[in-house]
Formats: sequence, C-alpha cells, structure tokens
Amino acid sequence: DVKVTQSSRYLVKRTGEKVFLECVQDMDHENMFWYRQDPGLGLRLIYFSYDVKMKEKGDIPEGYSVSREKKERFSLILESASTNQTSMYLCASSRAGGPSGELFFGEGSRLTVL
Amino acid sequence: GQQVMQIPQYQHVQEGEDFTTYCNSSTTLSNIQWYKQRPGGHPVFLIQLVKSGEVKKQKRLTFQFGEAKKNSSLHITATQTTDVGTYFCAASYGQNFVFGPGTRLSVLP
Repeated sequence: DVKVTQSSRYLVKRTGEKVFLECVQDMDHENMFWYRQDPGLGLRLIYFSYDVKMKEKGDIPEGYSVSREKKERFSLILESASTNQTSMYLCASSRAGGPSGELFFGEGSRLTVL
Repeated sequence: GQQVMQIPQYQHVQEGEDFTTYCNSSTTLSNIQWYKQRPGGHPVFLIQLVKSGEVKKQKRLTFQFGEAKKNSSLHITATQTTDVGTYFCAASYGQNFVFGPGTRLSVLP
C-alpha cells in the first residue's frame, strides 16, 4: 500500500515563526502536492512538483515555498507564519502522467498560528 | 483560477434513504475524480471518470459524468451510517485538479 507520511499531525506556532512541514511517500511517485483545507473551501492547491528539483505554483502560493531535493520528500515552508495560515495542510502524491492519477493523501498536519 | 461548484453543502438523511451530490464546472473538464473524507480522516480516492456520459458503479455508489463533461454526480442508494463523511469532486482542467468545496453527509440511524 502507498503510504504518505506527514511529519507532524498538530503544530502550534507563533506569528512570524518559520514553519517546516515535511512529507514523505514510499511508492516512488513522481508527483507530489501540498493542499490546505479550510471549512467550506475544499482543498486548495498551494504548490506541486512533477519531478525532483521541480516546483510549480498552485492556486494559493503566497506566503509559502517548497523544496523537493529528493523524489520521496516534499517540504512546505512558511517563511513567516501568519494567523491566516492556520489550517489543515494535506500532502498528496500520485504516479507520473499529470492530472490523471489517483491522489494518495497523508493524514494531514493541523497548524495553529497564534 | 477555475472554480468547481458542488451542491448541496450539507445533507442529512435517514439511514436507508438515497443521497446525491452534484459537481458543476463552467468549462469542459478533462476528467473528474471523487474522494471521500471520513470525519477526522484524510481524503480517499473513490473513482475517476474520463469519458463523456460515463457511468460507473461501486456497490451502492453510482458515479456519472455529464455528456458535455461539465458536470458529474455521485449517488448513494440506501445510505448506511458508514457512508458518513464529506464527498469531494476533483475536476481536471488539464494541469491539476481543482477540488469542489465538498458535500458533508450525515446519516441518522
């Protein structure tokens, strides 16, 4: 079974802190994604990557950056956390081939910024 | 960016009743996926529809893709308490998937 592991289930940070959210997948998937989920808004794409060292902006990239140095790992970085970044963050991966494969999600990281 | 509408936002049904959620786009889709998220869980893939007019069934679940590939529906026959959760459609416009806001289903025993 595909496993997507997110490093932290719950985090509490203060405004202005730098936040790292780590995601690792164990099925050799080319594609990895970071979403945030807020009530009533569904899942919104922050960044995605179709290959190592490659990254593309999603629909809401402002305030975020990503890193993909290794195929299995995709990190989301909040350079200076703000209260409006309090949310559930979901990492996902899929096989190569663009947007036509099943997305496998991690358990999510619930971030609270005070 | 592209937006995907999904209705209803909430649905409360008595166990045994049917349930339908609808997903609509103003532009033609490449394909569409459906996901289920249980309370406290993460989204889990249910199905992908690619062809115009396609209908797929999974036990009590029936998925349909519109003829114009602009809308889709998920129908659950005779709901059970295990069907509780939020159902999301994810529409592909070519590069990535855009998720609908979801329909939260409650099933009263």
